[in-house]
Amino acid sequence: NAGVTQTPKFQVLKTGQSMTLQCAQDMNHEYMSWYRQDPGMGLRLIHYSVGAGITDQGEVPNGYNVSRSTTEDFPLRLLSAAPSQTSVYFCASSYSRVRETQYFGPGTRLLVL
Amino acid sequence: TQLLEQSPQFLSIQEGENLTVYCNSSSVFSSLQWYRQEPGEGPVLLVTVVTGGEVKKLKRLTFQFGDARKDSSLHITAAQTGDTGLYLCAGGASGGSNYKLTFGKGTLLTVNP
Repeated sequence: NAGVTQTPKFQVLKTGQSMTLQCAQDMNHEYMSWYRQDPGMGLRLIHYSVGAGITDQGEVPNGYNVSRSTTEDFPLRLLSAAPSQTSVYFCASSYSRVRETQYFGPGTRLLVL
Repeated sequence: TQLLEQSPQFLSIQEGENLTVYCNSSSVFSSLQWYRQEPGEGPVLLVTVVTGGEVKKLKRLTFQFGDARKDSSLHITAAQTGDTGLYLCAGGASGGSNYKLTFGKGTLLTVNP
């Protein structure tokens, strides 16, 4: 198993550009989520999904969209990038709502100029 | 909003010393997890505690969940340079169908040789 994979590893964007951060897992996990990690702020939940076709907002959803068309994939879309979205983004998955062990991907480092 | 306060924020010690990291909240959590994160990587789960008063040991690491399930501690005995990293606690949402983790801001531990 590859676990949780994220692409790209690094990205530089200009303000106003859009992009999609990819996340995939091969563990047949129901639950997937996106976090951002900023210095001194810890990990903050952006969006999450409890299964294909079901998504919900987390703590900091503004400026981001998600969809979950398959169990394996959970892409995060930045509609119009802003410097405040400069961060490290982590995707995580877990087997179900009941089992709470989260498996994290290696992260995507995003710089918005 | 459930908040988790971690202390200390930074900790620098010599190899062989003992240390304790604290994770406190005014909210009750259904579970409490501890993760370790190394530079450039995603967090990796160390342990999950679910019962008030529960103590779990992982080699030189001892984890405790408070009786009221509002706080937790991580004690490392005879720290080694390999213990260096960012330690994160995360509380699981209590009940409900939409499970979420709330993360503390982390404790950055440096163990010097």
